Amino acid sequence: QKEVEQNSGPLSVPEGAIASLNCTYSDRGSQSFFWYRQYSGKSPELIMFIYSNGDKEDGRFTAQLNKASQYVSLLIRDSQPSDSATYLCAVHSGAGSYQLTFGKGTKLSVIP
Amino acid sequence: NAGVMQNPRHLVRRRGQEARLRCSPMKGHSHVYWYRQLPEEGLKFMVYLQKENIIDESGMPKERFSAEFPKEGPSILRIQQVVRGDSAAYFCASSPGQGPNYEQYFGPGTRLTVT
Repeated sequence: QKEVEQNSGPLSVPEGAIASLNCTYSDRGSQSFFWYRQYSGKSPELIMFIYSNGDKEDGRFTAQLNKASQYVSLLIRDSQPSDSATYLCAVHSGAGSYQLTFGKGTKLSVIP
Repeated sequence: NAGVMQNPRHLVRRRGQEARLRCSPMKGHSHVYWYRQLPEEGLKFMVYLQKENIIDESGMPKERFSAEFPKEGPSILRIQQVVRGDSAAYFCASSPGQGPNYEQYFGPGTRLTVT
């Protein structure tokens, strides 16, 4: 059973701070990793994806991947109240698999 | 807007009725995925389709659920004889290719309520 684990939160950070969201996965052969943002009652919105070990930056977002530790994280710099949402970590197991396996999400609250 | 389209956005059915959910993928995408999100649960994969082919239906319940993606028209997820446990948000996603290097983009979802 392939599993993706996230701390459900809520994670509360003050406006302007760095929010750090973490995710671990059980399938060591997993090849690609995605972060989605989901506002309450809305659909998942793709924020970032990462395939290789290390960091990948896009604006205020940085994804970090450590395949040896089976760990992926998302950093949000200069957090804004509009970042308050549930963040979903999703993992693709690679060739022969077609689906994304999602964690249950971490609820982030940015306090003004 | 060339995003993934789903309709209806909200659907209410009585127990025993049929529900039909439609999904039109993003322009240029030929790969469609259906996911279900139960209240307080994560997104769960149901089925992956390409035009006229079901590629992976490992996440579909064995009974009452079916999916298709015809040569012309949207992909359809069909739930027969709905029960209250089918109440959930059903999301469709599409991608331009298949494999780990392709992102999946989600539609707005259909929220099914079974009374």
